[in-house]
Amino acid sequence: GAVVSQHPSRVICKSGTSVKIECRSLDFQATTMFWYRQFPKQSLMLMATSNEGSKATYEQGVEKDKFLINHASLTLSTLTVTSAHPEDSSFYICSATRDQYNEQFFGPGTRLTVL
Amino acid sequence: DQQVKQNSPSLSVQEGRISILNCDYTNSMFDYFLWYKKYPAEGPTFLISISSIKDKNEDGRFTVFLNKSAKHLSLHIVPSQPGDSAVYFCAAYSWGKLQFGAGTQVVVTP
Repeated sequence: GAVVSQHPSRVICKSGTSVKIECRSLDFQATTMFWYRQFPKQSLMLMATSNEGSKATYEQGVEKDKFLINHASLTLSTLTVTSAHPEDSSFYICSATRDQYNEQFFGPGTRLTVL
Repeated sequence: DQQVKQNSPSLSVQEGRISILNCDYTNSMFDYFLWYKKYPAEGPTFLISISSIKDKNEDGRFTVFLNKSAKHLSLHIVPSQPGDSAVYFCAAYSWGKLQFGAGTQVVVTP
């Protein structure tokens, strides 16, 4: 159990377009989901914490108007990169927690390339 | 400000030998520590964890040691196997959030 999926696995888009990434918990209900970003050979940086039915909490330095997060249900959170630019190219990873557990289960990640 | 540090970006170890990965942290509020393994273009997978009230946790070939006074933890893998070649991230929990180290690339050679 505790499988998290992401879609798409990779996306290439033109500068100025918006891209939506989905994160789903497949076999459990996730009240909390997290979105991370990873640059090559660097650590995973937490972007925001997403709770079902409420607004996401963004980390310092993360533009909430650029990275729109919607946690519509207990099994789905979406990250929309609006007006994407080449500097937004990165590996985006989501994770989800089950109730009362500390452990986060990670999705396989989405490679975004903005041309 | 990087509160979780993995100062060794890479480690090469011979198959069958012990791999020792180190991690240091600065925030004394961290109360739970985890190690994750990550292959390229994949999400991290959980390996082993330890609560701040313990100093050792063992699971098969993996053992994590925690030295709270030194704010240091380590992951021991023994014996190392070729499938262990991956990037290993140390992570620490505080207030419901995980902070990750920069990772250590482990290469297990035949």
